[in-house]
Amino acid sequence: GAVVSQHPSWVICKSGTSVKIECRSLDFQATTMFWYRQFPKQSLMLMATSNEGSKATYEQGVEKDKFLINHASLTLSTLTVTSAHPEDSSFYICSAIRQETQYFGPGTRLLVL
Amino acid sequence: GEDVEQSLFLSVREGDSSVINCTYTDSSSTYLYWYKQEPGAGLQLLTYIFSNMDMKQDQRLTVLLNKKDKHLSLRIADTQTGDSAIYFCAGRGDQGGKLIFGQGTELSVKP
Repeated sequence: GAVVSQHPSWVICKSGTSVKIECRSLDFQATTMFWYRQFPKQSLMLMATSNEGSKATYEQGVEKDKFLINHASLTLSTLTVTSAHPEDSSFYICSAIRQETQYFGPGTRLLVL
Repeated sequence: GEDVEQSLFLSVREGDSSVINCTYTDSSSTYLYWYKQEPGAGLQLLTYIFSNMDMKQDQRLTVLLNKKDKHLSLRIADTQTGDSAIYFCAGRGDQGGKLIFGQGTELSVKP
């Protein structure tokens, strides 16, 4: 299968700071990556579609100025949570498409104090 | 839009078969997937089936697709305690590869 990594695996930050999460496809190139958010005991909520070399497409209700996405290369997409607040605390998961199938990263747990 | 539904919980005894069910609304879903999520982890792709197939078997896993009823199931034979996890079914149409997930079924395997 395909391998997708995320870094960091967990992060604790103070309210008002910005946090960057990296998503990498390790053994394949991905023109399209996705960012999800997952609350405890719930399903995944798609936040945005990240396209290499172009602007991300955000889902309805997701603030693009709050969640900045950059997909500068075929193996790396980043999600920056700007001016994080406690309500942004969540589990963030990315995925990348390889041969019509989405492969998921291990997730990043964010806790904003 | 697409809606995918699953039952929330399933409890089985070790060694029994588990059957996790999923229904979807969009008949144009071209691919249907099963993912497994263990606590604190990402999603692991278990298997997938194309919409033109009725069944797919991969070792202990059997996927059945009933297109008429828009029903998908995942059967795990000889369920082990290590199979305890949340299982998500997901459908993919032609909208840029987006997946629509069910709520997830929490499988509990008792020794």
